[in-house]
Amino acid sequence: AQKVTQAQTEISVVEKEDVTLDCVYETRDTTYYLFWYKQPPSGELVFLIRRNSFDEQNEISGRYSWNFQKSTSSFNFTITASQVVDSAVYFCALSEVTSGSARQLTFGSGTQLTVLP
Amino acid sequence: DAGVIQSPRHEVTEMGQEVTLRCKPISGHDYLFWYRQTMMRGLELLIYFNNNVPIDDSGMPEDRFSAKMPNASFSTLKIQPSEPRDSAVYFCASSFNEGTEAFFGQGTRLTVV
Repeated sequence: AQKVTQAQTEISVVEKEDVTLDCVYETRDTTYYLFWYKQPPSGELVFLIRRNSFDEQNEISGRYSWNFQKSTSSFNFTITASQVVDSAVYFCALSEVTSGSARQLTFGSGTQLTVLP
Repeated sequence: DAGVIQSPRHEVTEMGQEVTLRCKPISGHDYLFWYRQTMMRGLELLIYFNNNVPIDDSGMPEDRFSAKMPNASFSTLKIQPSEPRDSAVYFCASSFNEGTEAFFGQGTRLTVV
């Protein structure tokens, strides 16, 4: 069965610090997708990134970067020079592909990030 | 596109009443998902549709919950009768294809008193 673990329940940093949010997943499938979502205090879920299991290339988007390592089943998310507006709950999610059909998202429990001014 | 639209945003109802949550997915998306978010259980999938057909409803808590998708642009999640433990935020999401990212609505915060 698929499982996503976000061991960090809460993280607090001071503005301009770098912060890494950890995500470890479990799956028996060789083909799967990994996602990160952001949930700000307003409550909506905002899509940040999708990665497929065959693409281990790291990705950078502005202050955001993602490190995908199949060897350790991890898909970590780093925010560089954090800002107060980055304060939110961040969810990692997994979607397995079985028989050519991707299943629904399985979410981790989320990490509450607080960036202090 | 306006994104996934859910209504109402907030709903307060008395125990035993029927509650209907509504969702309009993004046009052209073939998949529609209903999720529930609570402090205790986090985000959990209730049911999802592909081309208006329910594919997996194993997450629906019990027979009090039902979901329909009469056409490609509308879905409902109904709880009858509602109970206090149904209080949660209910999200609707849609995706273009299998494996692509799901886009979420703003959620409906349900409170059953």
